[in-house]
Amino acid sequence: AQSVTQPDIHITVSEGASLELRCNYSYGATPYLFWYVQSPGQGLQLLLKYFSGDTLVQGIKGFEAEFKRSQSSFNLRKPSVHWSDAAEYFCAVGAGGGNEKLTFGTGTRLTIIP
Amino acid sequence: GAVVSQHPSRVICKSGTSVKIECRSLDFQATTMFWYRQFPKQSLMLMATSNEGSKATYEQGVEKDKFLINHASLTLSTLTVTSAHPEDSSFYICSARQGAVRGYTFGSGTRLTVV
Repeated sequence: AQSVTQPDIHITVSEGASLELRCNYSYGATPYLFWYVQSPGQGLQLLLKYFSGDTLVQGIKGFEAEFKRSQSSFNLRKPSVHWSDAAEYFCAVGAGGGNEKLTFGTGTRLTIIP
Repeated sequence: GAVVSQHPSRVICKSGTSVKIECRSLDFQATTMFWYRQFPKQSLMLMATSNEGSKATYEQGVEKDKFLINHASLTLSTLTVTSAHPEDSSFYICSARQGAVRGYTFGSGTRLTVV
């Protein structure tokens, strides 16, 4: 069964600084990988996804993520964070191939300080 | 872009009553919808997978008779929490799948409080 680990429960970053949120997955084949963002009391918004092809994926709001098969990782990055980026971030993995379930990591809460 | 509407956004009900939550895909047909439960400051836990025209597939530990799921059309799935208890208070989120590549779109969630 697939699983996702987000090692960092809470990260604090200064506004304008760079950001990297870690995500490690476990799955036997090539996974479908997603990053979602959730503001308090809201649903999830898709930032980006990886299915195949170029391992560097560009998403919305200036985010990008890189799929590294050798490290089983799909870390999310942003070169310069904005105060509005403060939220909860979830990495998710899907098996594809008819298995449609998404498995979510435990999330990383991002705090932005002025 | 794909939009999923979830209603209501907040609901308060008395213990013992039932509550229905609706999840609609507004601009696409969703053969598969998913229902999640999220406790405060925790991740999403999949409750069940809902397929149009067939019975939902529940995850282990989820009571089928308590959390009734109906997916009667390609654009609507409903979750009914029956005989609600305070421990059912939670944030419930639905998701609709557009297909193998397009991915998943989430509703804005429903905050259920049982008093």
